[in-house]
Amino acid sequence: QVQLQESGPGLVKPSQTLSLTCTVSGGSISSGNYYWSWIRQPAGKGLEWIGRIYTSGSTNYNPSLKSRVTISVDTSKNQFSLNLNSLTAADTAVYYCAAVGCGGGSCYLAYWGQGTLVTVSS
Amino acid sequence: DIQMTQSPSSLSASVGDRVTITCRASQSISSYLNWYQQKPGKAPNLLIYAASSLQSGVPSRFSGSGSGTEFILTISSLQPEDFATYYCQQSYNIPHTFGQGTKLEIK
Repeated sequence: QVQLQESGPGLVKPSQTLSLTCTVSGGSISSGNYYWSWIRQPAGKGLEWIGRIYTSGSTNYNPSLKSRVTISVDTSKNQFSLNLNSLTAADTAVYYCAAVGCGGGSCYLAYWGQGTLVTVSS
Repeated sequence: DIQMTQSPSSLSASVGDRVTITCRASQSISSYLNWYQQKPGKAPNLLIYAASSLQSGVPSRFSGSGSGTEFILTISSLQPEDFATYYCQQSYNIPHTFGQGTKLEIK
């Protein structure tokens, strides 16, 4: 079973760039069985899809974040990463990475990391 | 973006009750609809994908139905561990938007 673990700073200053890494275990990130996504959730609020990356490097982003976000993959380390720049307090949230499977005509967030809380504050 | 609207936003029920949660899409999404359960302090957990397919390991009391713009999650007989927040998500178009969530509480 695929397992995911987010890592990165818990506190980032406004206007700076957030960098998070998701380490995948229990299988190769290049297996082709999944693609990889980031999702976030402000405290007490709902889920927001940030974007996705295929192991080919092809990406799609939420248009609301597209100008500030970059997702990349490092197959040699079995990791993928999220960079989000020009941070404001509104970016304070729990950030999740996930493995996305597809079947039955839909793609779904099959496995999730435990989440990492990122606070944007000076 | 496709807007996903869940109803109700919150729901009180008792152990053993049959519960339904509705998710409506702002345009047709065929069967590109997933359901997740989230407990406090935990990551969401996939319950149903492609509108009606039960994820492996999920109890059979959970079921999903619908296509197009209206979808339903049914819990046939509530168990104590089912009290949580439920989210629908469409994967028809980018961004893969979520509903606002339905909080299921103990009556």
